[in-house]
Amino acid sequence: NAGVTQTPKFQVLKTGQSMTLQCAQDMNHNSMYWYRQDPGMGLRLIYYSASEGTTDKGEVPNGYNVSRLNKREFSLRLESAAPSQTSVYFCASMPRQGFNGYTFGSGTRLTVV
Amino acid sequence: AQSVTQLGSHVSVSEGALVLLRCNYSSSVPPYLFWYVQYPNQGLQLLLKYTTGATLVKGINGFEAEFKKSETSFHLTKPSAHMSDAAEYFCAVSGSGNTGKLIFGQGTTLQVKP
Repeated sequence: NAGVTQTPKFQVLKTGQSMTLQCAQDMNHNSMYWYRQDPGMGLRLIYYSASEGTTDKGEVPNGYNVSRLNKREFSLRLESAAPSQTSVYFCASMPRQGFNGYTFGSGTRLTVV
Repeated sequence: AQSVTQLGSHVSVSEGALVLLRCNYSSSVPPYLFWYVQYPNQGLQLLLKYTTGATLVKGINGFEAEFKKSETSFHLTKPSAHMSDAAEYFCAVSGSGNTGKLIFGQGTTLQVKP
């Protein structure tokens, strides 16, 4: 099925460990986004890539880095995980033309102990 | 800067009753507005959107929302709740510029009682 695929679905890290969350879309969308979801806070934008070759910070970028590997893939890296990064992470994509909202992945549930 | 406020983190209705989820926004430019639904342990799914044109927009599963510029509101309604409507609902507004960024509200959990 066409859509946004996130891996892994679940992950437990120890404080200080690093990991990369993967996101890929097969809809030929130009823009991709990483959000985190925390109870009572909605979704907050971490980083985004408006088009292939560009990335920009969102509302809560500290402790994260991203790579837009190609048009399909947009990865999120935690270099040194902290308990405050325990969250559910969502990747989303959107075509350039029009403003039809996002297509979301199913999320990665990350726990940092 | 854009912002979204959803009034009420939890709303409980009886099956068959009217559903009303409130959303107010702030935007310095004409907004694009969205409602998303999230079922447990799933991603977010687009319910409906307002970009331009008709201010009353209809979405999936019988939901609709009305854009009221004078009230800066975009409330979500459904005439008759169904048990399957139990989920978390998010209102979102487009960010500034041409980046496609969405600003989300904090979410409202809808409980439907039999």
